[in-house]
Amino acid sequence: DAGVTQSPTHLIKTRGQQVTLRCSPKSGHDTVSWYQQALGQGPQFIFQYYEEEERQRGNFPDRFSGHQFPNYSSELNVNALLLGDSALYLCASSPYRRQGKNYEQYFGPGTRLTVT
Amino acid sequence: KQEVTQIPAALSVPEGENLVLNCSFTDSAIYNLQWFRQDPGKGLTSLLLIQSSQREQTSGRLNASLDKSSGRSTLYIAASQPGDSATYLCAVRERGSTLGRLYFGRGTQLTVWP
Repeated sequence: DAGVTQSPTHLIKTRGQQVTLRCSPKSGHDTVSWYQQALGQGPQFIFQYYEEEERQRGNFPDRFSGHQFPNYSSELNVNALLLGDSALYLCASSPYRRQGKNYEQYFGPGTRLTVT
Repeated sequence: KQEVTQIPAALSVPEGENLVLNCSFTDSAIYNLQWFRQDPGKGLTSLLLIQSSQREQTSGRLNASLDKSSGRSTLYIAASQPGDSATYLCAVRERGSTLGRLYFGRGTQLTVWP
């Protein structure tokens, strides 16, 4: 079992550019959540996808958008990058259909985004 | 709004000591609480999951307790080792939302020296 995988590992972008991050959930998982972790902070919830729909969203602007595909993998897109978007972006998956709301979340290794 | 606080922010101890890390949360309406470990620049590794109906969970040298009514959890690490050095994060899953998002504390940075 490969666990949650994310790509790329590291990314450097310039202000104003757009970026796409990718996540493949753990086998058997159907729900994907994205978190942003700034240096020295705890992860902050961006949004969550289930059955290819955004189900819940945190306090992030519309520049942050996402998608979930039929195979449960997901993408996070960020437009018009700002310096403050520099962070570790974490993807987490869980088996909602099988376990309901009491599920445990499993995290990937993250994508380190640097905006210059 | 749910807020999670972790104390202390940092801890440095010699090898062999027994440790207690603290986590508090403001809204007791939760499904469960998870403790994670994070090595520098890496993702999160789940250590223990405690459901809201449980009081305690154990895994090896780790023991986590949950007092939902008072909004507190503790992570106890027995006989600490240098390999335990990492940041430990506490997160709660709230009730009342569609699928339940996680709210994280800022973590406790632990250093265990030989």
